[in-house]
Amino acid sequence: QKEVEQDPGPLSVPEGAIVSLNCTYSNSAFQYFMWYRQYSRKGPELLMYTYSSGNKEDGRFTAQVDKSSKYISLFIRDSQPSDSATYLCAMSLNTGNQFYFGTGTSLTVIP
Amino acid sequence: GAVVSQHPSRVICKSGTSVKIECRSLDFQATTMFWYRQFPKQSLMLMATSNEGSKATYEQGVEKDKFLINHASLTLSTLTVTSAHPEDSSFYICSARVVEKLFFGSGTQLSVL
Repeated sequence: QKEVEQDPGPLSVPEGAIVSLNCTYSNSAFQYFMWYRQYSRKGPELLMYTYSSGNKEDGRFTAQVDKSSKYISLFIRDSQPSDSATYLCAMSLNTGNQFYFGTGTSLTVIP
Repeated sequence: GAVVSQHPSRVICKSGTSVKIECRSLDFQATTMFWYRQFPKQSLMLMATSNEGSKATYEQGVEKDKFLINHASLTLSTLTVTSAHPEDSSFYICSARVVEKLFFGSGTQLSVL
């Protein structure tokens, strides 16, 4: 079983839709949770960072962490064509240098 | 967020030559940097962890002699692909850890002819 599971998609939505991206994980010791956006042939860009459980909102983006279910989500409101990218979830433990990544979900927002 | 600068963004080279990729932390000191490799439509594959002033730690299956990593200062780590071959063609990305967050460079597309 992989440490982090993420549906690769592809996901295609019309402009203005609400997008829901999800990851599940197996290690209950994960404490730090991140979402990255990666455009084609570019490095991943940190979008959202959450410590432990709860919600975090930043503009059109909301990150949720449910540690009891080992499930994290990223919601994008009022999606724009510029949101078209691959979204990677990542998580890490309280100590050490290891980061665990999902395989990424490819999102296309159609104008 | 922290800025990680990676150069070059794209390099094309002949088989058998060596290529150096630089990764710099611009507004912070990075004691630890990571090098990833990414194939099309796949996730990041960690190649090695570099620590300033010491030898890099390579992941299983990554050839140390082919992928030389030097982290000589707190702001610079380099990856040298030695005697590159077409199978080394890939997208290489560096990253640096700042507290509990990971920041990435813009990536280098290596094409070996």
